[in-house]
Amino acid sequence: DAGITQSPRHKVTETGTPVTLRCHQTENHRYMYWYRQDPGHGLRLIHYSYGVKDTDKGEVSDGYSVSRSKTEDFLLTLESATSSQTSVYFCAIKEASGDVEQYFGPGTRLTVT
Amino acid sequence: EDQVTQSPEALRLQEGESSSLNCSYTVSGLRGLFWYRQDPGKGPEFLFTLYSAGEEKEKERLKATLTKKESFLHITAPKPEDSATYLCAVFAGTASKLTFGTGTRLQVTL
Repeated sequence: DAGITQSPRHKVTETGTPVTLRCHQTENHRYMYWYRQDPGHGLRLIHYSYGVKDTDKGEVSDGYSVSRSKTEDFLLTLESATSSQTSVYFCAIKEASGDVEQYFGPGTRLTVT
Repeated sequence: EDQVTQSPEALRLQEGESSSLNCSYTVSGLRGLFWYRQDPGKGPEFLFTLYSAGEEKEKERLKATLTKKESFLHITAPKPEDSATYLCAVFAGTASKLTFGTGTRLQVTL
C-alpha cells in the first residue's frame, strides 16, 4: 500500500463544467503523476510533478491543468469538461529520484455527460 | 516513439493450465520493464521490474523474463484468484513517463 488516496472515487458532471480531482499521499514522495485509462489505449500520462510547484506535461495534457502547493497533494483540473474526458483517472507516485517503479492509487471514474 | 504491444488480448485458462503472456516493446534506451496486475475497479498493482536482457523475477506462480525485444509473464498452475488484467510498461531514455501496453485479460476457471 503506497498510501495514496484519490477523491472523489466517482463523479458525473456535465459538459462545460470545471472539475478537480485530488490525489493525496501520506509518505512525502517527491514524484507524483496523473494518468488516464481508456479502453484500447492503456494508461497515458497527463501531467506529472517532481516537487512542490514543479510540474510538467505528459502526452495527453490538452484540456488539463495541475497544481501542487503541498508535497502530499496533487490536483488535476479539467477547466471545462468535455465528453472525451470521460475516463478513469489514476494518480501514481515514485518513491525516490533514483527509482523507476511507480505505485498507483485506486482511481477516479469520471463521466462527462 | 516508445511502443508496447501485449498479446493475447484475452486468455482463458483452466485451473492448473500453465501459459505465458507476451509483451513486445520498441524503445530507445530501456531503463526498466514493469509488470502490473489490475483487478476490476482498482488501480494497477506493481508486480515486477526487469532491467536487462536475461533477467528473471518470480513471485508465487508468476515468473517474468526479459529479452532485448520482449518480456514474458509465465503463469504456472494458475488458480482462479490469478484472474485479472496484466499490464506491461516500459521506462526508457530520459522520459519521466511509463509507456503502457493495453493489457492481457486473464480468466482462470475451475
